Amino acid sequence: KAGVTQTPRYLIKTRGQQVTLSCSPISGHRSVSWYQQTPGQGLQFLFEYFSETQRNKGNFPGRFSGRQFSNSRSEMNVSTLELGDSALYLCASRTPGSSYEQYFGPGTRLTVT
Amino acid sequence: AQSVTQLDSQVPVFEEAPVELRCNYSSSVSVYLFWYVQYPNQGLQLLLKYLSGSTLVKGINGFEAEFNKSQTSFHLRKPSVHISDTAEYFCAVSDQGAQKLVFGQGTRLTINP
Repeated sequence: KAGVTQTPRYLIKTRGQQVTLSCSPISGHRSVSWYQQTPGQGLQFLFEYFSETQRNKGNFPGRFSGRQFSNSRSEMNVSTLELGDSALYLCASRTPGSSYEQYFGPGTRLTVT
Repeated sequence: AQSVTQLDSQVPVFEEAPVELRCNYSSSVSVYLFWYVQYPNQGLQLLLKYLSGSTLVKGINGFEAEFNKSQTSFHLRKPSVHISDTAEYFCAVSDQGAQKLVFGQGTRLTINP
């Protein structure tokens, strides 16, 4: 079974621009979560989607948004990029049932200049 | 709210020596506990998890962890490490109702020959 895939793997954007990152979960997984990883703040939860609905949201400004499609693929969008948005953005999909085990993709490395 | 403290930011050990990576958590409710490993330029891979039952949990690559409720700890151990274990290790907690993981700051394990 294919793992979680994220595209693109690397991205360079300029301050003030917007960016869209994509995540395809493992087949059969309906929950997708996004995390931001930076050297200073570590791994922080952004949001989680299940069946096209946002179920949980972390403490990030409204510039960070996401959505999920009917095939469970998810996108996250960051508008008006700031230098501090430079990070590794990780997507994770979850197994059905109550195991709470999340499978992570390789991440998208976003650099804002 | 939950929080996770990984007591060591870096742990250097010699190859074939035992290692323990320490993790303490704080939560007012029952939790699930996880250890993830991150190799350079990769996403997170689940090593092991504690959901309920036996407090000694065995994972992949020879790792194990012990859940201690009274000390709110979930330390990761391996009796003999290999060069290939060089990576960053993250302890994470999730409450039994939420969909998000709260991570510690990570411990960088360096194996010296």
